[in-house]
Parts: sequence; structure tokens; C-alpha cells
Amino acid sequence: DQQVKQNSPSLSVQEGRISILNCDYTNSMFDYFLWYKKYPAEGPTFLISISSIKDKNEDGRFTVFLNKSAKHLSLHIVPSQPGDSAVYFCAAAGRGGADGLTFGKGTHLIIQP
Amino acid sequence: AAGVIQSPRHLIKEKRETATLKCYPIPRHDTVYWYQQGPGQDPQFLISFYEKMQSDKGSIPDRFSAQQFSDYHSELNMSSLELGDSALYFCASTRTRYRGSSYNSPLHFGNGTRLTVT
Repeated sequence: DQQVKQNSPSLSVQEGRISILNCDYTNSMFDYFLWYKKYPAEGPTFLISISSIKDKNEDGRFTVFLNKSAKHLSLHIVPSQPGDSAVYFCAAAGRGGADGLTFGKGTHLIIQP
Repeated sequence: AAGVIQSPRHLIKEKRETATLKCYPIPRHDTVYWYQQGPGQDPQFLISFYEKMQSDKGSIPDRFSAQQFSDYHSELNMSSLELGDSALYFCASTRTRYRGSSYNSPLHFGNGTRLTVT
């Protein structure tokens, strides 16, 4: 049972435009959410996080939005750059749950020139 | 800045052999996690250690064991290897500030060990 879902395996966006990556979760115990970026042959790299007490967190070109009632979060990248082409993983952690993060299956973002 | 170091980067083993993967966390990080990522799959949590003690267990097979040593490095030991064990194995580390809370530092991942079982 996939507790963190990224329903788009891939997403193609033109350079300069906004990239929106979506993530849904089912476990109401999750209270901390993270986005990781992964290039081929490298480990995931932390991008941005948000706790459940917030609905938005911004860091430069990256903004994460959290809608707790819908159990949905999204990552916005504005403007998209060629170096943003990578696989993006949504991950979640919960109170009293496993120490480890629960990951989604990832979305492959392709930035087109 | 120092990152999480994993060795070896690639490993090829035959069925029923054993393998040992090593992970050296970022200095002053006291918590280590192991993840397994199969082809086209999301990373699956295997096991974690905090201050050299096993902290939590995920979907780690009984054929696998792991430990964290006094210098905080960790080793994942895999025995009776099966074809299905072929995967990328990631180690991640963090410094745990709030024990039992999810609001800890984000995990920092190594570049992984690609294990191929033939």
C-alpha cells in the first residue's frame, strides 16, 4: 500500500516556466514532508521541507505547498532551469512512526529549452 | 563540505553469496539509515541506527543485518543473496535533535552502492 503517491511518473516543462510536482499521502500521522531531487548515479539531495503546522514554505525558486485537509502537497519551481531536470521524490515522516522516511515513486522532470 | 560516503559503488555477486556494504556518515551525524531502491521503484526504508543502537526496522529481510560502529560508520551485511536483492542501496545520515520526533534534520544521502546479483 503506497502511503505517499506521486501519480505523474514524468513531467515536461519549458525552460523559464513554472514546474509543479504533486504528491498525495494517505497516512494522517505524517506531519513532516520533504522533497528530494535525484540525478542519475547520485543519491537523493534534500531540496525543501514543510511541517504540518505550515501551509507554505519558500526557498529561492522552490516553494512547497501543503493542503492537510486534502492530504496533498506540491512543489513549485519558478522559473524552471535546465539543471532542474532530475527525478523528484516526495517523502514524509510521522510522529511516533518509523524513523525512516516514506518515499513516493518519484516524478521525472524534464526541462526543455 | 563532507558528504555521506558509501563503498563500494558497484558490487557484483552470485546467488547465495554474501555482501557487505559500508557507509560513512557526515561528521557529527549520529543517525544512519539504509534504503533499498529497486529498478523503477521508490527508496524503501530498511533499518536505522541512532548512537550505535538499532533505532527502527523497515522492510529488511532476515537475511540482512546491519550495525553501527563506535566511529558511527555502518555496515549492511547481506547473506544468501537472491536475484531480487539486485538494487541500489543508499545510506543516509542526520543529526537527531529531537528523539522520537519527525522534525529532525533532513537526511543526507550517499551516492549509493549498486548491487547486482547474478
